[in-house]
Amino acid sequence: SQQGEEDPQALSIQEGENATMNCSYKTSINNLQWYRQNSGRGLVHLILIRSNEREKHSGRLRVTLDTSKKSSSLLITASRAADTASYFCATGRQETSGSRLTFGEGTQLTVNP
Amino acid sequence: DTGVSQNPRHKITKRGQNVTFRCDPISEHNRLYWYRQTLGQGPEFLTYFQNEAQLEKSRLLSDRFSAERPKGSFSTLEIQRTEQGDSAMYLCASSLDYRPYNEQFFGPGTRLTVL
Repeated sequence: SQQGEEDPQALSIQEGENATMNCSYKTSINNLQWYRQNSGRGLVHLILIRSNEREKHSGRLRVTLDTSKKSSSLLITASRAADTASYFCATGRQETSGSRLTFGEGTQLTVNP
Repeated sequence: DTGVSQNPRHKITKRGQNVTFRCDPISEHNRLYWYRQTLGQGPEFLTYFQNEAQLEKSRLLSDRFSAERPKGSFSTLEIQRTEQGDSAMYLCASSLDYRPYNEQFFGPGTRLTVL
């Protein structure tokens, strides 16, 4: 079963607007990662945040992590049509940091030109 | 620089047939993972190799599924007596074991359709 739950399931915005996606999880984690998946293709790693970090930036991406609430958010600023994709959060657990990632169900982002 | 590759990209088969997929990881990566993804869902973990050793298997990996990584390089995933419920995207990923936070790099996937 999926540990993570993304919110919202679908998001439609205009180019230039910001997009915020949220992820909640249930167990203790070692790290949380965000991936992007274009339609019918493999996943692309976007950003990783460790359990002892609260915020991380990479280009137009900003990720926050609140381990007390077991939640994370991904902010994409100044969105572009090319950002249209599904976005997944994935957690790595403390005792199994070398193995599986547990993915949420994803947020489908549509950026309209 | 080549990423993770998977073959075939698409496979259509009839129920009851056996299928085999191949994954070639990034060359220096010693960890290899298989995931399954159904439409509208996130990937679900199936199994994981460290070099040639299969270290973890999900309960999703029934007796009809078998994965190998005989020389610690490429891996194969075989599904015997396929069922319609096996229709999904099968994703392979690889990573390096000395990186503590296990960033995984995914291939394009093999889309299986069981008729």
